[in-house]
Amino acid sequence: QVQLQESGPGLVKPSQTLSLTCTVSGGSISSGNYYWNWIRQPAGKGLEWIGRIYTSGGTNYNPSLKSRVTISVATSKNQFSLNVSSVTAADTAVYYCARDLGAGAPAYWGQGTLVTVSS
Amino acid sequence: EIVLTQSPDFQSVTPKEKVTITCRASQSIGSSLHWYQQKPDQSPKLLIKYASQSISGVPSRFSGSGSGTDFTLTINSLEAEDAAAYYCHQSSSLPLTFGGGTKVEIK
Repeated sequence: QVQLQESGPGLVKPSQTLSLTCTVSGGSISSGNYYWNWIRQPAGKGLEWIGRIYTSGGTNYNPSLKSRVTISVATSKNQFSLNVSSVTAADTAVYYCARDLGAGAPAYWGQGTLVTVSS
Repeated sequence: EIVLTQSPDFQSVTPKEKVTITCRASQSIGSSLHWYQQKPDQSPKLLIKYASQSISGVPSRFSGSGSGTDFTLTINSLEAEDAAAYYCHQSSSLPLTFGGGTKVEIK
């Protein structure tokens, strides 16, 4: 069964770039027809979809973040990554990576990683 | 953007009671509506896909119904382990969106 694990700095200074990596195990990131997603959740709040990258490399982003977000894939490492530029305190959240079932709901999730934006 | 409105926000329920959570979409999304359960300090877990399709390993007391704009998650005979937040999610159009969540507490 596919497993996902987020990694990256837990603390980022305001105006800097937040960078996270999701490592996939139990299957190749380049096989099948799946979307690989990033989703975040501020403490005590709901879920916000950030964006996704398709197996072929195509991307979709949430317009609310689009100008600041980049999602990329490193197939040789079986990883995909998230960059969010010019962060503010509002970007403080638990960040999840997740894979869908195939053009549908994210079904396989990482455990999440807390990123705090603070000086 | 499709807005998903869940109700209620909070529900306190006795074990073995039936729980009904609704999710209303701001426009028709067909059956592209999915339900998640999230327990404290855990990742969301997919319970129901495409409005009513069951997920392997999920107890049969969880069921979903609806299409278009109105959807329902039903938990038959609530168990203590079902205390959690429940979210609906649409994959009909971008940006993907989630409902605001319903917290279910066990009395």
